[in-house]
Amino acid sequence: DGGITQSPKYLFRKEGQNVTLSCEQNLNHDAMYWYRQDPGQGLRLIYYSQIVNDFQKGDIAEGYSVSREKKESFPLTVTSAQKNPTAFYLCATRLAGGVHEQFFGPGTRLTVL
Amino acid sequence: AQSVTQLDSQVPVFEEAPVELRCNYSSSVSVYLFWYVQYPNQGLQLLLKYLSGSTLVESINGFEAEFNKSQTSFHLRKPSVHISDTAEYFCAVTSGGGADGLTFGKGTHLIIQP
Repeated sequence: DGGITQSPKYLFRKEGQNVTLSCEQNLNHDAMYWYRQDPGQGLRLIYYSQIVNDFQKGDIAEGYSVSREKKESFPLTVTSAQKNPTAFYLCATRLAGGVHEQFFGPGTRLTVL
Repeated sequence: AQSVTQLDSQVPVFEEAPVELRCNYSSSVSVYLFWYVQYPNQGLQLLLKYLSGSTLVESINGFEAEFNKSQTSFHLRKPSVHISDTAEYFCAVTSGGGADGLTFGKGTHLIIQP
């Protein structure tokens, strides 16, 4: 069954703790993206990666970190430096070579207490 | 830099009535445009896209959008809505192939009233 998996669906953490959100895909897509969604704000790009072992900052990268050691995986770490981490986080993938739409995972809702 | 403006944060409409969700964009280069739909606590699903060719694009569930370059718009329309169309709708734009990610509008919540 092809698709994008984000786990867990709901995540609770205490303030000051780092937390890592998982994103796995078996679509064989080259590019992967992390977005943050806040109510009434749309989606904002955090980080993206077009190829293994390479990634770029998006519009709101401060307080976040990523790695891309495998084509299938693009984990996002929300660090204690992120001032307001409570949000809905969405991972997306895209086939490289030409203009293609992005496919989105089901999302992880992070709540920092 | 590019941006997307969705003029209405919320659109209430009666079931079986027509609806238009407005989207305007700004960009200094050629763009590619998308409409995504999001149901509560879920990811986004692609509704339709404009890449090139015919300026009128259609989805399989009755939605359509028209790319208007002179007005920099990509409004979404449906002639008759159903209760199941209740969702959040996002307009998005990209340029240069889209490798650098999408720029999204803030979304429009479509509320279907029985």
